[in-house]
Amino acid sequence: NAGVTQTPKFQVLKTGQSMTLQCAQDMNHEYMSWYRQDPGMGLRLIHYSVGAGITDQGEVPNGYNVSRSTTEDFPLRLLSAAPSQTSVYFCASSGGQGTRANYGYTFGSGTRLTVV
Amino acid sequence: GESVGLHLPTLSVQEGDNSIINCAYSNSASDYFIWYKQESGKGPQFIIDIRSNMDKRQGQRVTVLLNKTVKHLSLQIAATQPGDSAVYFCAERIGGSYIPTFGRGTSLIVHP
Repeated sequence: NAGVTQTPKFQVLKTGQSMTLQCAQDMNHEYMSWYRQDPGMGLRLIHYSVGAGITDQGEVPNGYNVSRSTTEDFPLRLLSAAPSQTSVYFCASSGGQGTRANYGYTFGSGTRLTVV
Repeated sequence: GESVGLHLPTLSVQEGDNSIINCAYSNSASDYFIWYKQESGKGPQFIIDIRSNMDKRQGQRVTVLLNKTVKHLSLQIAATQPGDSAVYFCAERIGGSYIPTFGRGTSLIVHP
């Protein structure tokens, strides 16, 4: 049981490049989310999903796309990287409504992205 | 990892002391609250949660107190250890929503 797995752990991109941050969970969780974390800013929600085929925007969605074709995977795509997207990105999952034990999110270990 | 703590409120304590980390939440409709611990270079880790129909919940060395009247949440850590040094986040979930909202966090520094 690996929990939430994020790849890569580190990435450097040039401005304008695109890439996909991968997130996979093996807990059969309904809910998955992407957050970015900047110094002193806490965790800000980018996009989230409440089940396969369903996604929605969070607080800071611009410049990012997501899809949820399976319960397990929730990739985050940067369409055209900008220096403002330099951050630490966390994926998280939760069992969702009706799953009392899993209202709290399980987080991955993060992807540290630098855009130059 | 250490950059997470920059510009955050900081609490410094001596090893063995009790620590109290405070959090003010924003929405009176929030029905569920969670505390997370984030160590340097790692993702946030669930510590303890509490529903809005409770005012206190205890775990191992940790207690969460909820005061709905003033929309205040606190995390008490007994006999604080150097391994407790981390950034602590509170999160609130508004009733009917799917996703919790996180506060900015507090950096706890434990001196041996």
